[in-house]
Amino acid sequence: DAGVIQSPRHEVTEMGQEVTLRCKPISGHNSLFWYRQTMMRGLELLIYFNNNVPIDDSGMPEDRFSAKMPNASFSTLKIQPSEPRDSAVYFCATASGGFQETQYFGPGTRLLVL
Amino acid sequence: SQELEQSPQSLIVQEGKNLTINCTSSKTLYGLYWYKQKYGEGLIFLMMLQKGGEEKSHEKITAKLDEKKQQSSLHITASQPSHAGIYLCGAPPEDYGQNFVFGPGTRLSVLP
Repeated sequence: DAGVIQSPRHEVTEMGQEVTLRCKPISGHNSLFWYRQTMMRGLELLIYFNNNVPIDDSGMPEDRFSAKMPNASFSTLKIQPSEPRDSAVYFCATASGGFQETQYFGPGTRLLVL
Repeated sequence: SQELEQSPQSLIVQEGKNLTINCTSSKTLYGLYWYKQKYGEGLIFLMMLQKGGEEKSHEKITAKLDEKKQQSSLHITASQPSHAGIYLCGAPPEDYGQNFVFGPGTRLSVLP
């Protein structure tokens, strides 16, 4: 298996633009997690899906952030409009169950908002 | 809410030396994950511990969860430059609605 696949790996955009991050989970994994990592705040969980349904989005910073999982093999995290403070590394992780199962992380998308 | 602390924050050792990283929880742990992260890369799963007193090993890395399930240690024997990176501990929530939490990380450098 190729592992968790994220795209793009790097994204540089200007403030106000829409940003879409993509994740393809490991086949057979039914839980998907979006994380954000910054120097200031460390690693934070943004949202968690189970069987394509958002279970907990309490970590999503504000309405500018939205996440979808239209099917078991694809998820997106969208920021609209983007702001400089959104600059971070965004990780997608998947697991075969919920939190009690091992999470496997993708390589991350490094986002820079100018 | 549950919080994880790690010590030390950073560590520099000479190749071949042993080292220990600690992770302490403010509440009883219902599982403890150890991850390694290289700069600019994703997290790599190392080990998961669930039972009090449990100990697991993989190559030269051993992780233990204490009997009270509030502290875990990660021990590296005969460190190598390939062990360098940031080690993070993470804890799953007890119930739905609570968040998976991570420690702040320990940055390890191994000098050749």
